[in-house]
Amino acid sequence: AIQMTQSPSSFSAARGDRVTLTCRASQDVTSYLAWYQQKPGEAPKLLIYAASTLQSGVPSRFSGSGSGTNFTLSINCLQSEDFATYYCQQYYSYPPTFGQGTKVDIK
Amino acid sequence: EVQLLQSGGGLVQPGESLRLSCAASGFSFSTYAMNWVRQTPGMGLEWVSIVSSSGVSTSYADSVKGRFTISRDNSKNTLYLQMNSLRAEDTAVYYCAKDLSQGSGTYKMDYWGQGTLVTVSS
Repeated sequence: AIQMTQSPSSFSAARGDRVTLTCRASQDVTSYLAWYQQKPGEAPKLLIYAASTLQSGVPSRFSGSGSGTNFTLSINCLQSEDFATYYCQQYYSYPPTFGQGTKVDIK
Repeated sequence: EVQLLQSGGGLVQPGESLRLSCAASGFSFSTYAMNWVRQTPGMGLEWVSIVSSSGVSTSYADSVKGRFTISRDNSKNTLYLQMNSLRAEDTAVYYCAKDLSQGSGTYKMDYWGQGTLVTVSS
């Protein structure tokens, strides 16, 4: 199975910051990469798929980039509701696999 | 509004069985593939299974293959996960999730149920 590694595992940021999260795949997944946001006690929410396509209804301050094995999720002007855990997921090959998550909390 | 309402979790002993259900509304259920994903503090998110829109095609994670069965009843807009021979390592919060794509699915999941806790312990 393809292993997905996210970094850092957690970090603190302030409202208004621009943050960049990183996800690395152990093999080439082309652009078959999704990002999810999860808040405590809630289900994950799809933010981005195909590495850079914003899911309907997701604020434009979220953006994704990358291809192959290296991907980033950026959040411009961090809002209160953005403090959460973010997961990447490859769906290039069976089985689909998730990263271990990056928790973004308030500085 | 898309809604996925889950039921059926609980506490069972090792070796026992449990069936999870996921009632869908707000979209054309019979058009989309559906997934099950589970989450534990230690293992994180783990994809479990997918069923095609028609129910004919299914796929499973190796960790559950031969023990779990995914199915759907398109007349009832409901997804199921039959879990047999449960083990302690199956303890997790289980989510049903709608696939973003129609047909056989692509493992991109755009709507998720609220999750249901399955605890396997003696």
